[in-house]
Order: sequence, then C-alpha cells, then structure tokens
Amino acid sequence: DIEMTQSPSSLSASVGDRVTITCRASQNINTYLNWYQQMPGKAPKLLIYAASNVQRGVPSRFSGSGSGTDFTLSISNLQPEDFAIYFCQQSYNAPLYTFGQGTKLEI
Amino acid sequence: EVQLVESGGGLVKPGGSLRLSCAASGFPFSTYTLNWIRQAPGKGLEWVSSISSSGSDIYYADSVKGRFTISRDNTKNSLFLQLNSLRAEDTAVYYCARLGTYFYGSGRPDQYFDNWGQGTLVTVSS
Repeated sequence: DIEMTQSPSSLSASVGDRVTITCRASQNINTYLNWYQQMPGKAPKLLIYAASNVQRGVPSRFSGSGSGTDFTLSISNLQPEDFAIYFCQQSYNAPLYTFGQGTKLEI
Repeated sequence: EVQLVESGGGLVKPGGSLRLSCAASGFPFSTYTLNWIRQAPGKGLEWVSSISSSGSDIYYADSVKGRFTISRDNTKNSLFLQLNSLRAEDTAVYYCARLGTYFYGSGRPDQYFDNWGQGTLVTVSS
C-alpha cells in the first residue's frame, strides 16, 4: 500500500493568515493526489484534484501543488469557515485508495 | 443536485451482521463507480470498497475482504454494503461516495471522491 503522511498533524492560525499543509507519499504518485476538507460532524468535501485543480465552487484562496512524492495545500487569507480537518488522498494505486491521517487547522 | 443518503447503521454485537444502503439522486447513477469509505470515531478516512458502474468490477480493502459485500441496484439508484462477522474495529461512520475522474490526456485518470453522503454510524459492541 502507498502510505500518505501529512504534516503537521495540527496547526494554529488566525483569520487572514496564509497556511500550508504538506502531504508526502511513500512512493512516486505523479500528480494522482487529491485534497478534502472536513468540517466537524460533516462528510468530507473535495477541494483539489490532480494535485492542483480546484474543484468547482471552491474559493480561489485554496490552491494545491506538487508532484512525485511531495505535495502542498495552501490556504491564503484564512476565513473562519476554513478551520477544519484536511485530508490528502492518492489514486495512483487505484482502486486501493489511501488517505493521509489528517491535519487539524484551528484558531 | 447530487444527493447520496445512507441508512442502515446501528448497534450490533461482535460477530453480527448489518446491511447499509445508499440512495442516490441527481445524477445518472448507472454511469458512475461508487465507493464505501469509513471513519472510526476521531480517526482518519479508510477506503472500504468500490463497485464499477455495471457492478462487474468490485474491490475491497484487505481489512474487510471476505466479510463485507458491496452491491448495487441500478434500477433503484441504490448502493449497498453487507457487513458480516463484525468486529469492534469496524465501528465507524460509513460514507458512500461517488467516484469522479480527471483525464490528463494520456495514461490513466486521476480518481477522486467528488460527492459524499452524510454517513451512517455502525457501532460494534457487546
């Protein structure tokens, strides 16, 4: 299985800040990498697919980059509704999809 | 609007069984691969199973292989997961999720979960 490791596990920030979350794959996954946001008690929501493509309806302050084994999710001008848990997911080894352990973004 | 609504969760004893359902609407159900993904309380996400649009291709995570069975009814826009021989470690919220694809132009596409249900809680405890 391809292991996905996110860092940090938790992150404190303030409204208006810019933050970056990192996801590292245990092997080269090209750009088969997606990002999700999960609010408390809610289902995950797709933010970014294929490493850098922003899902329709997602604010432009969200961006993704990377290829190979190292990827980042960046959020600029943090808004109150951005405080959530973020997960990365690989599809290189589809259908054996794996997720990162999550990064909790808190105030 | 795409909607996925899970049902069938509940409290079951170790070794017991449960059948989860996911009712879909708002998209051409029979053309999409569907998945079950679970999340143990306070934990991360774990992909459980996948079924192709026609039902001909089915895959399971090693952790559930031989115990869980995925199926679908394209005439009723419904997805199912039969859970047998349940263990305490199967306790989780179970989500159904639609698979989206992004084609790069050559090679295989990226695959992601573009729509999720609200989840149904399965608790395995004596």
